Amino acid sequence: AAGVIQSPRHLIKEKRETATLKCYPIPRHDTVYWYQQGPGQDPQFLISFYEKMQSDKGSIPDRFSAQQFSDYHSELNMSSLELGDSALYFCASSRPSGGSTEAFFGQGTRLTVV
Amino acid sequence: DAKTTQPNSMESNEEEPVHLPCNHSTISGTDYIHWYRQLPSQGPEYVIHGLTSNVNNRMASLAIAEDRKSSTLILHRATLRDAAVYYCILSYSTLTFGKGTMLLVSP
Repeated sequence: AAGVIQSPRHLIKEKRETATLKCYPIPRHDTVYWYQQGPGQDPQFLISFYEKMQSDKGSIPDRFSAQQFSDYHSELNMSSLELGDSALYFCASSRPSGGSTEAFFGQGTRLTVV
Repeated sequence: DAKTTQPNSMESNEEEPVHLPCNHSTISGTDYIHWYRQLPSQGPEYVIHGLTSNVNNRMASLAIAEDRKSSTLILHRATLRDAAVYYCILSYSTLTFGKGTMLLVSP
């Protein structure tokens, strides 16, 4: 079965550079979530989209932005990268649920800022 | 999102049942109880979820207290591949991860 696809899997950037992470949800899933997981930390919710509109916002820095496109894929844009942005970034997708269905996570993008 | 409380870690032997507890005394009526697990360097994986009644699937069982203020994830026969961090999450929409339970499984 198709899963959530994230690209790239690994990314190395220098401080102050920009990065774009991509997420391709499971077909017919119209809700996408982004999470950040630092070393030894639990996943932190950043932002979510439903039907191409932002649906919820978590601890996403102002330097980051995201959007969901007409084909439901999503991109997380990160600017002025800092060392502390080094983390695993997970994308998840689900059908609109009201809490009653599961979310499926991708394998993540490991971002290293040097 | 309502807060959950889980043990930091638990240990089990292979082939034995495992009961992972979760307290959520401030749960609201619309909150579903979700369980996810995360293996090292992998994305979280859905395990099970429920609202009021106990639930069973191929991976686990979820026992929900009658007052819904606590729940227990039951792995009927632990395997080495079940070693992971297990998260109990209350959610109506967005999944907010707290501190989960690291399950260690010994051969």
